[in-house]
Amino acid sequence: DTAVSQTPKYLVTQMGNDKSIKCEQNLGHDTMYWYKQDSKKFLKIMFSYNNKELIINETVPNRFSPKSPDKAHLNLHINSLELGDSAVYFCASSQQRTSGNTIYFGEGSWLTVV
Amino acid sequence: AQTVTQSQPEMSVQEAETVTLSCTYDTSENNYYLFWYKQPPSRQMILVIRQEAYKQQNATENRFSVNFQKAAKSFSLKISDSQLGDTAMYFCAFTPYNTDKLIFGTGTRLQVFP
Repeated sequence: DTAVSQTPKYLVTQMGNDKSIKCEQNLGHDTMYWYKQDSKKFLKIMFSYNNKELIINETVPNRFSPKSPDKAHLNLHINSLELGDSAVYFCASSQQRTSGNTIYFGEGSWLTVV
Repeated sequence: AQTVTQSQPEMSVQEAETVTLSCTYDTSENNYYLFWYKQPPSRQMILVIRQEAYKQQNATENRFSVNFQKAAKSFSLKISDSQLGDTAMYFCAFTPYNTDKLIFGTGTRLQVFP
């Protein structure tokens, strides 16, 4: 069973469209994250949620709106997609919001905006 | 600002040999955690090894070990008896003690040759 699963794995869409990426974890973790990996492979945190509450928002444009319906799910909705949004988006989870906890990553969702 | 630097964009090693990947970081914190993550072509981010800054003993996980030099802010990864399956991007990452946010380096692409 996949611990952190994301859908879709690949997404090609046109500029200006709105799209969502879904994430689910079956590890019973309290904390979930979205990370973005750009074309140069640089990884950076976007958001973190703890028990459905937004904890970290790393100055991400407000076109990006995360939603956590419950602690096992963290979805990412992106409005008015731009070329620069093309990246791999990783969902991740950890047991608690404690420094040093192992963070488990999903397989990534490869978004291409054309 | 807290940063992680990986000065080797690419490395290569022959199967069964040993290779060391470099990582330095910058922080004014005294307590923190350091990690090495592996990203194979499948894109999944996999935790390789973790080091707690207050522990002087270097962490080891089977063929993987680190050389943690706190004063020099250096955290290198040694892979012994390299295997073809070790071919991947390797990311060094840092978490300050009071947060669960991972700060990544730019990665080192490791190629293991038969």
